[in-house]
Amino acid sequence: DADVTQTPRNRITKTGKRIMLECSQTKGHDRMYWYRQDPGLGLRLIYYSFDVKDINKGEISDGYSVSRQAQAKFSLSLESAIPNQTALYFCATSDSASGRTDTQYFGPGTRLTVL
Amino acid sequence: GESVGLHLPTLSVQEGDNSIINCAYSNSASDYFIWYKQESGKGPQFIIDIRSNMDKRQGQRVTVLLNKTVKHLSLQIAATQPGDSAVYFCAENTFGNEKLTFGTGTRLTIIP
Repeated sequence: DADVTQTPRNRITKTGKRIMLECSQTKGHDRMYWYRQDPGLGLRLIYYSFDVKDINKGEISDGYSVSRQAQAKFSLSLESAIPNQTALYFCATSDSASGRTDTQYFGPGTRLTVL
Repeated sequence: GESVGLHLPTLSVQEGDNSIINCAYSNSASDYFIWYKQESGKGPQFIIDIRSNMDKRQGQRVTVLLNKTVKHLSLQIAATQPGDSAVYFCAENTFGNEKLTFGTGTRLTIIP
């Protein structure tokens, strides 16, 4: 979905490096999410934010942190990357005002490789 | 914990035939279900959704069926086309829980 963009699209880094993945959206949605996708495991929620002042841990938040700089921006950081954080990362948004908070719209993903 | 899973990890279908992708869920309180399509190199794309007060919902070439008795839903794609090749996965949500639970996905391959 072009309304949700992620940068970078691909990143290769080394163990111990700090990495930031960025997500921007023009959908005007208030809710934003970070997921990681691993083969055979589906999408797992890392962090989510329901507005600029609200940050919540998902099921696999250890080793990650987030920042909601504005309604349209939600970044994910790996303070000290490790190889098992190699995965495909997706940002998603949803709109509480629509009454359909459940429907999430995804960005194109960032493929992260930690060597 | 609650989980959403798929019966088959892969499905091969002849072009032009109908495809049926299945999903089982375990949370009897789930009341909202979504099917997503994920093409190679892209993010998941919303296809169709259904709420628990419905048994069937139709979209363009797609139909979702929900059987609450056996906690099962399916996605039917009519007249499958090459562009339908992707991974399809279901997600479920419970009212009051603002997070989706995703299944692991079924890869649909179209045979020319």
